[in-house]
Amino acid sequence: RKEVEQDPGPFNVPEGATVAFNCTYSNSASQSFFWYRQDCRKEPKLLMSVYSSGNEDGRFTAQLNRASQYISLLIRDSKLSDSATYLCVVILGGNTPLVFGKGTRLSVIA
Amino acid sequence: SQTIHQWPATLVQPVGSPLSLECTVEGTSNPNLYWYRQAAGRGLQLLFYSVGIGQISSEVPQNLSASRPQDRQFILSSKKLLLSDSGFYLCAWSVRGAQPQHFGDGTRLSIL
Repeated sequence: RKEVEQDPGPFNVPEGATVAFNCTYSNSASQSFFWYRQDCRKEPKLLMSVYSSGNEDGRFTAQLNRASQYISLLIRDSKLSDSATYLCVVILGGNTPLVFGKGTRLSVIA
Repeated sequence: SQTIHQWPATLVQPVGSPLSLECTVEGTSNPNLYWYRQAAGRGLQLLFYSVGIGQISSEVPQNLSASRPQDRQFILSSKKLLLSDSGFYLCAWSVRGAQPQHFGDGTRLSIL
């Protein structure tokens, strides 16, 4: 089983739609979780951290379910500029490197 | 504020030639440093990471090596490039502990 698994998509949604991505992780001892965004031919950029209680940043909501070992990202009122690949990231802890999922591609269509 | 510099942005090299990519971080001390490769349309592959000067961990056996001669400098090298070394190379840094990484702009390497 892969450490971090994501549906590769693509998710093609119209502007204004709400879209959600899930990501599952295999190691129950994982400590920290993040969502990154990567535009085509660019470096990944931190979108938001994911906290146990769930957190929101504008149109974006991230949630963590430790019991089922998944995290989610919800995007409301999608914009054309949200088109990108969204990477799920997990850290086991300490000084261990981040583990990246392969990403979910989102295309928001006018 | 912290910044990360990676160069060059693009590089075209013949098979069998050497490689040296450099990455430096400013505005922080004793960062963790990372080298990733991303093949076209694929996910990120961790190549090396370092938690201190002279300390290098290799994640996959390959044609590449890494060095950390100074606290905020991380170098990716190869003595002889292969066609399969083509890809998008990304340097990243983080503070200690379970913290997010921040990436440089990347180097797009094409091997001919």
